[in-house]
Amino acid sequence: GAVVSQHPSWVICKSGTSVKIECRSLDFQATTMFWYRQFPKQSLMLMATSNEGSKATYEQGVEKDKFLINHASLTLSTLTVTSAHPEDSSFYICSARDFISRAGGPPKNIQYFGAGTRLSVL
Amino acid sequence: EDQVTQSPEALRLQEGESSSLNCSYTVSGLRGLFWYRQDPGKGPEFLFTLYSAGEEKEKERLKATLTKKESFLHITAPKPEDSATYLCAVGDYGGSQGNLIFGKGTKLSVKP
Repeated sequence: GAVVSQHPSWVICKSGTSVKIECRSLDFQATTMFWYRQFPKQSLMLMATSNEGSKATYEQGVEKDKFLINHASLTLSTLTVTSAHPEDSSFYICSARDFISRAGGPPKNIQYFGAGTRLSVL
Repeated sequence: EDQVTQSPEALRLQEGESSSLNCSYTVSGLRGLFWYRQDPGKGPEFLFTLYSAGEEKEKERLKATLTKKESFLHITAPKPEDSATYLCAVGDYGGSQGNLIFGKGTKLSVKP
């Protein structure tokens, strides 16, 4: 399967600082990348959809000024948690969509996930 | 509203004891069903995608099947290394971004 690299895997920061998380598709180009948040023992919650060269689309309740997303190339999307506070502590996971149209059948449309970033805000 | 429900929430098996995980969904149209495996502290790992009722896919001890209302992930003779949370998701590729709607997962524990 395709490889998605997410960095850093773990970060501790002081309250009020900003943290940037990178998501890279290593062996395919991804027009669309997604950012999720996962709470303990819960499933993935979509935060935003990131499209290369355009503004991200945020899910209801997600503050776009708090979670800045940049998708400047077909292989890189970044999520910046601005002025982080303890309530932002969570597990953040990105995914990159491998999409190929196929004649006569459904398109290949698979999201490959990064390993996640554990953010702890003190 | 599209919805994905997985059962059971947790499943404990002895090594070699085969079983099945269920994923039922209510969507306006079948747009692809996905199975992922997630280990603690890691991102989900892609396993299978199914697009039409009657479709089946296999990978080692895992076999995924799909009907019009649900999907099953069959685990044959599981080993301790199969212990993980298995996530089911429905994809929306019809002219949109391809968002995934996830179920809450089934946590599988296989004891030696």
